[in-house]
Amino acid sequence: NFMLTQPHSVSESPGKTVTISCTGSSGSIASNYVQWYQQRPGSAPTTVIYEDNQRPSGVPDRFSGSIDSSSNSASLTISGLKTEDEADYYCQSYDSSNHEVVFGGGTKLTVL
Amino acid sequence: EVQLVESGGGLVKPGGSLRLSCAASGFTFSNAWMSWVRQAPGKGLEWVGRIKSKTDGGTTDYAAPVKGRFTISRDDSKNTLYLQMNSLKTEDTAVYYCTTGVNWNDGPFDYWGQGTLVTVSS
Repeated sequence: NFMLTQPHSVSESPGKTVTISCTGSSGSIASNYVQWYQQRPGSAPTTVIYEDNQRPSGVPDRFSGSIDSSSNSASLTISGLKTEDEADYYCQSYDSSNHEVVFGGGTKLTVL
Repeated sequence: EVQLVESGGGLVKPGGSLRLSCAASGFTFSNAWMSWVRQAPGKGLEWVGRIKSKTDGGTTDYAAPVKGRFTISRDDSKNTLYLQMNSLKTEDTAVYYCTTGVNWNDGPFDYWGQGTLVTVSS
């Protein structure tokens, strides 16, 4: 089955830039759109990037998404880090072979 | 304003059954593809399954761990989504979220409920 692999955790200082990767296990990650969600403790997830690199209204342009076909991975980049960005981040896509939505395991971002 | 309100969670013994409901408002429910996503305590998000709108066939898809045990249905006259869970296992313990977004396979989940906790334990 198609899987998405994320680093378990990343940490960076306020004002810096961090990139979270999401690597597809097989096939081409570019075949289906990738979304990114932010989840703070005790709350439901919210979308920060959809369709690989689109930002919903209200999400600051410090958040950006990209696809790298050569490494079969998607990335979420957050620049100008703020303490409020500290949260869990999940990538999500679709397994066309098995007709299943797939989430990555999640990455805990610590801003310290 | 879109609202999704889950209910029906609780404590159930292994092998038991439970039915979750999700009351929807603020959008045309009958046109929406609806999904259930769960999150075990301290763990990540896991897609459970989806039901398409009747105009798109009303078909369902399920994640492998729940296929054959869980059934998703909808009542468009009541704007309500259901998740019937049978043969429950301890590993089904999780917060269950009702969610919706765009009507295609690899689109985002734009709206989420607050979740309802299901605990499977003897």
